[in-house]
Amino acid sequence: EIAVTQSPAILSVSPGERVTLSCRASQSVRSNLDWYQQKPGQAPRLLVHGASTRATGVPARFSGGGSGTEFTLTISGLQSEDFAVYYCQVYNNWPPMYIFGQGTKLEIK
Amino acid sequence: VQLVQSGAEVKKPAESLKISCKTSGYTFTSYWISWVRQMPGKGLEWMGRIDCGDSDTNYSPSFQGHVNITADKSTNTVFLQWSSLQASDSGIYYCALFTPSWGFWGQGTQVTVSS
Repeated sequence: EIAVTQSPAILSVSPGERVTLSCRASQSVRSNLDWYQQKPGQAPRLLVHGASTRATGVPARFSGGGSGTEFTLTISGLQSEDFAVYYCQVYNNWPPMYIFGQGTKLEIK
Repeated sequence: VQLVQSGAEVKKPAESLKISCKTSGYTFTSYWISWVRQMPGKGLEWMGRIDCGDSDTNYSPSFQGHVNITADKSTNTVFLQWSSLQASDSGIYYCALFTPSWGFWGQGTQVTVSS
């Protein structure tokens, strides 16, 4: 079973800054990694699928990268609505299951 | 695509519970529906999924044997069921449709288990 590790757990940043979140898988998942954003009291929202493809309606300031075991989500020019928790998700082939990272909380400095 | 979940539940330990996720806007039998747990203040945990076409299921080892996922093709609805709740089952439960390019979620069902 794949292990998924996100870092850091909490990131304190100021609006307007550029930030990079990391996600690492214990074995290669090729590009089969998605990023989700979750705000308090809301269901998660898909931001990026296939490691680097923005989902419909997601602003261009969000960009995903990486493949294999190392992945990043970069947010350029942080806006107030971007302060939330971000999760990466991978699919494990056997046993067949989805695995989420522990999440990175983006908070206002 | 819409996934609309049943309302909040308050139950006592050892009671049974069945929550639902009614889907629309796509071909129900062509996709798997997953359930995801979020305990208070914690992250997302994938519980299991069902193939809505043939009702094949996969469960996370962490949830295998403790919950049951079923689907009703006549109403395009997926269910998550417990036969004996524990206090540690309290949390928000989401149904979700995951594909290589989709990630649709229900609004969540709050489950509270307390004596």
